[in-house]
Amino acid sequence: GAVVSQHPSWVICKSGTSVKIECRSLDFQATTMFWYRQFPKQSLMLMATSNEGSKATYEQGVEKDKFLINHASLTLSTLTVTSAHPEDSSFYICSATIWEGEPEQYFGPGTRLTVT
Amino acid sequence: DAKTTQPTSMDCAEGRAANLPCNHSTISGNEYVYWYRQIHSQGPQYIIHGLKNNETNEMASLIITEDRKSSTLILPHATLRDTAVYYCIHTYSGGYQKVTFGTGTKLQVIP
Repeated sequence: GAVVSQHPSWVICKSGTSVKIECRSLDFQATTMFWYRQFPKQSLMLMATSNEGSKATYEQGVEKDKFLINHASLTLSTLTVTSAHPEDSSFYICSATIWEGEPEQYFGPGTRLTVT
Repeated sequence: DAKTTQPTSMDCAEGRAANLPCNHSTISGNEYVYWYRQIHSQGPQYIIHGLKNNETNEMASLIITEDRKSSTLILPHATLRDTAVYYCIHTYSGGYQKVTFGTGTKLQVIP
């Protein structure tokens, strides 16, 4: 199946700093990628829809100025957590849709963010 | 939001079939049923999807009721590596497939 990668797989940063997470579709082009956040023992929560060449669409309650999303190419979307705080510590997962007759959504391995 | 209802947890003996039910009574006519699973601390993995007919692939089988209000994912011979949280969702095949995850079923395969 299609492969989606994320980098880094885990990151520790100090409170107040910013951290960038990359999501890449390795063997296909993705005009749309999604970003999710998952807290321990909870389900995935959709944060935003990332569209190549345009602004991201954020879900209700997600601060767009805090979670900056850039989708500059058909294979790369980035999520930047600005001025991170300990409550931003979470598992961040991206996904991309591939069209093979019918759409299938493939997920990245996730990035574990810990803010100290 | 597309809502589904799944049991919180299930156990299955290794080597036996695991049958995971899902209710999706609000599904629309052009929405597909998708199943994903998430092994601890990994990204979700696509398993199977279907519209009306039953589907089978190398991982699992999907049985969809005639009224499409519920479905069952079948893992024919569960192994310890199948221990995971299984998510059932329904979403449009068109557009960009915005996905809303429910709480899923924690499947524990027992030796």
